[in-house]
Amino acid sequence: NAGVTQTPKFRILKIGQSMTLQCAQDMNHNYMYWYRQDPGMGLKLIYYSVGAGITDKGEVPNGYNVSRSTTEDFPLRLELAAPSQTSVYFCASSRPGYTQGAEAFFGQGTRLTVV
Amino acid sequence: DQQVKQNSPSLSVQEGRISILNCDYTNSMFDYFLWYKKYPAEGPTFLISISSIKDKNEDGRFTVFLNKSAKHLSLHIVPSQPGDSAVYFCAASLTGGGNKLTFGTGTQLKVEL
Repeated sequence: NAGVTQTPKFRILKIGQSMTLQCAQDMNHNYMYWYRQDPGMGLKLIYYSVGAGITDKGEVPNGYNVSRSTTEDFPLRLELAAPSQTSVYFCASSRPGYTQGAEAFFGQGTRLTVV
Repeated sequence: DQQVKQNSPSLSVQEGRISILNCDYTNSMFDYFLWYKKYPAEGPTFLISISSIKDKNEDGRFTVFLNKSAKHLSLHIVPSQPGDSAVYFCAASLTGGGNKLTFGTGTQLKVEL
């Protein structure tokens, strides 16, 4: 299984440009998440979704938008990129609940630089 | 407000010895705790977890201890191996919160030969 796949792996954006970070999972997980990790910091939640058509804000949602039209895909949209959005972005998915195996699986990350 | 704290940015241990990574949290409503391991240029991978109704969970060389009264958990790795060298993140979650994770800032573990 591929697990959680993120594209692209690297991207350089100019200030004011927009882009979409793609995320797909093949584990039929209901829950999906977008986190960002800044240098020396932990991961912070941007947006999450508990199912197709349902999304909600996390801790740091400003400057981002998401949609969830299918169980598999959870794209993250950056509008009007700013240097503060330079970060590594991780997509993750999980099953509901806290039983063994419900832990979040992460993609390999997208390293984004805004110049 | 950092609800999950890992106060040691780095830890160095010798191969074969015990590694102890610590984590403190402030939100007493957290009821599930996880440790993730991260290698450079990769996503975090799940290592071990513990429910707040337990005080210990063991999986092979890895054991997590939870002290709810102190709002403290620790990860023990015995024996430590060079392949364990990575950044370890502590994370916490709330029941009914969509399994959202609140992460600590991580501890870089280096296991030396």
